[in-house]
This record gives sequence, C-alpha cells and structure tokens, in this order.
Amino acid sequence: KAGVTQTPRYLIKTRGQQVTLSCSPISGHRSVSWYQQTPGQGLQFLFEYFSETQRNKGNFPGRFSGRQFSNSRSEMNVSTLELGDSALYLCASSFPRPGTSGRATGELFFGEGSRLTVL
Amino acid sequence: AQTVTQSQPEMSVQEAETVTLSCTYDTSESDYYLFWYKQPPSRQMILVIRQEAYKQQNATENRFSVNFQKAAKSFSLKISDSQLGDAAMYFCAYRSGDYGGSQGNLIFGKGTKLSVKP
Repeated sequence: KAGVTQTPRYLIKTRGQQVTLSCSPISGHRSVSWYQQTPGQGLQFLFEYFSETQRNKGNFPGRFSGRQFSNSRSEMNVSTLELGDSALYLCASSFPRPGTSGRATGELFFGEGSRLTVL
Repeated sequence: AQTVTQSQPEMSVQEAETVTLSCTYDTSESDYYLFWYKQPPSRQMILVIRQEAYKQQNATENRFSVNFQKAAKSFSLKISDSQLGDAAMYFCAYRSGDYGGSQGNLIFGKGTKLSVKP
C-alpha cells in the first residue's frame, strides 16, 4: 500500500511568488491535514480537509489556502511568499476507525514533506 | 488553549539502555488523545504510540511504553533496550476527542532529539 506522497519534495521560490504543494493520501483515507515545520516554531497545524470540506484551520494568514478533491488528493497554496514561509510542509492523512461511526483513530500518516525555501 | 511542553531539547542514551522522554500538557478537556511521534533525520514522521485519555492502562508497543498520569497531565515515553535506529526527534502531541470522523488537529511539543551511543 503506497504511503502519503507529497510533491514537489524541494523547491526554491523568491519573495512575492506563489507556490502550490500537492499531497496524495493513502488510498481510502479521507482526511488530509497540513502542517508547517520550522526550527523556531516547530510543528504548526495549517488546515484539515475531510470529504472535500475544510474542517479545521490553524492560525495562519489568508495567504495560506488549500483544497481537497473528490479523490481525497489535496493541494495547499501560499501566495505572496515571505522569507518566513521557508519551512518543511508536511501532509498527513487519516482514516476513521471502522465500525465506530467515523470516529478517527487519531493516527496520522505523514508524507516526507515539501521543503520550501524562499529567497 | 491546549499546550504541550517537552522540557528536554536533547537526550542521549547508551545502546541497550533505557531512556525516558518527558512531556506535559495543559487542557481543560476530558476527551483527548496523546501521541508520541518519531521523526528520523530526513525521513517521514511515524507514530510510535497512542494513548486515549479515558483509558487508565498505559499503552505499550514492544520496547516503547508510556507513563500516563492524567491528574498530573504528564505523558512520558520510555524506550527500553535502545537501538541505534531509535535515534530521532521525538514529538509529543495532543488531539482533542472525537471530531465526528475528522482527525482534528494535533498540537505538538517542540520535540526531543534523542541520540543513541553505540
């Protein structure tokens, strides 16, 4: 079973540009979450999608946005890039525990991340 | 708001020895999950162990076990018989209870870097 796939793995952008990152969850997983990881702030929750709907959103500016498609694949977009957006962006997928009316197991399966450098 | 604190930025252990990583959290909720995730260098993060708050019994997974003290809001990870492959960043994380099928969001601690000496 293929794991969570994130593309691209590495990218370099300049200030003011925008970037789109892609995440393909494990087959059958319907929840996709995005996290930003930096040395200073650690791991911070960006947003979560479930069945194409944004369910939760972290405390990030509106420049950070995302969406989820009908096949559960997700994209996140960062517009007007700033130096501080340099980070490892992690995507994680999850599947509700079977037989419990969709109660999530709580286990997240992470991708290897997309490392964004903003110059 | 919930917070997770890992007070040990770095730890070191001798191969085959036992090490305990500390984690404390703050919450007013009664239904929640606690996790330890492992992030090896340049590799993806994986779940080590999970504890549901309503379960009194401490979770164990092979060489990994937790000491869950709900009243003290403490959730430490014990690694027994440490192996070289255990070297990684370890993150303690908190998640609120059932979100009706969604996974909510995880609140992570800053992490503890574990080194294993041969």
